[in-house]
Amino acid sequence: GAGVSQTPSNKVTEKGKYVELRCDPISGHTALYWYRQSLGQGPEFLIYFQGTGAADDSGLPNDRFFAVRPEGSVSTLKIQRTERGDSAVYLCASSPDRDQPQHFGDGTRLSIL
Amino acid sequence: AQSVTQLGSHVSVSEGALVLLRCNYSSSVPPYLFWYVQYPNQGLQLLLKYTSAATLVKGINGFEAEFKKSETSFHLTKPSAHMSDAAEYFCAVVGGSGGSNYKLTFGKGTLLTVNP
Repeated sequence: GAGVSQTPSNKVTEKGKYVELRCDPISGHTALYWYRQSLGQGPEFLIYFQGTGAADDSGLPNDRFFAVRPEGSVSTLKIQRTERGDSAVYLCASSPDRDQPQHFGDGTRLSIL
Repeated sequence: AQSVTQLGSHVSVSEGALVLLRCNYSSSVPPYLFWYVQYPNQGLQLLLKYTSAATLVKGINGFEAEFKKSETSFHLTKPSAHMSDAAEYFCAVVGGSGGSNYKLTFGKGTLLTVNP
């Protein structure tokens, strides 16, 4: 079946702009996660959704980052006033429930010029 | 907080040689442990997982890992490397002392190159 889908695969924008990154999880998966992978590093946790609600947003670096999952399926990660340090690969994962293995999408490579 | 250490950011082996990628975790309470593989410009693919059943875990593509509580280790091995195994490998933990049961904590990764 279809895996986790992330769009766009690449996004290049200028410093200060607003960006939205989309994640379409595996159908039926109630848990959804966002991670950020900087160059040469492992992924770092950003936020976890159980259904429509953000159960843990402790990994969001600051208030420029926000994520929603209004209908409990697709999620959007939103970054305001982008900075060059936001450049990274943003990975989305989903799992049937929170204690099940996570399945990752191919990520969105975000470059801030 | 949980931490994961992967010894060796880069491992190079010859085709047909043994692959050994090292992973140590910090928790005094055994967590769940995972190995993921990442090919260029792709997401993470689960290779195998340890969830407190058998300590020797077999995964996909001929990989296996052994959980050793006394050494807080979960090293990944494959008897004979193939060219197609060239990729970056990440060890990750969830749970254990100081960890949630959903937030994956990753090591920094080990890049495996396979020489013909």
